[in-house]
Amino acid sequence: NAGVTQTPKFQVLKTGQSMTLQCAQDMNHEYMSWYRQDPGMGLRLIHYSVGAGITDQGEVPNGYNVSRSTTEDFPLRLLSAAPSQTSVYFCASSEGALGLTFGSGTRLTVV
Amino acid sequence: AQSVTQPDIHITVSEGASLELRCNYSYGATPYLFWYVQSPGQGLQLLLKYFSGDTLVQGIKGFEAEFKRSQSSFNLRKPSVHWSDAAEYFCAVGLYNQGGKLIFGQGTELSVKP
Repeated sequence: NAGVTQTPKFQVLKTGQSMTLQCAQDMNHEYMSWYRQDPGMGLRLIHYSVGAGITDQGEVPNGYNVSRSTTEDFPLRLLSAAPSQTSVYFCASSEGALGLTFGSGTRLTVV
Repeated sequence: AQSVTQPDIHITVSEGASLELRCNYSYGATPYLFWYVQSPGQGLQLLLKYFSGDTLVQGIKGFEAEFKRSQSSFNLRKPSVHWSDAAEYFCAVGLYNQGGKLIFGQGTELSVKP
């Protein structure tokens, strides 16, 4: 099984551009979430989903949108990229509260 | 407010020495507790978790952690560190009905001296 797959692995955007970070899981997990990782700040929750059609905001949702049309996919959209969104983004999934399975991350630079 | 604190940003230990990484949490209820490890350029891997029961839990790679309710702590330990254990370690907490929604500590970077 592939687990949690994120694409792309690296991306450079110009300020104001939009893009979508893709995330797919093949474990039939009900929960999916997006985190960003910044030095010295650990991981912070952006958005999460408890099932298809249900999403909610996390700690740092501004500037990001999500949708969950299927159990497998949970894309993260940057509406108008800003340098403050330069970060490493991780998608994760879980079955209940059993612990997250993480993707390998997307390193995003906004110039 | 809910929070997780890892007091040590960076720890250096000699190979073969014992290790303890500290984690303290502030939460309204007894949470589920996790330790993750992240090797450079990689995603996070679950080392161990505590839900209930025995307060000493065993994980992968020879790690263990002890939950102390009175101290709101969940410290990670390993009796003998290997050079391959050099990585960043994250403590995290969550609630049973909020799968996917964890609060992470700032992380502790572990260096191992030969």
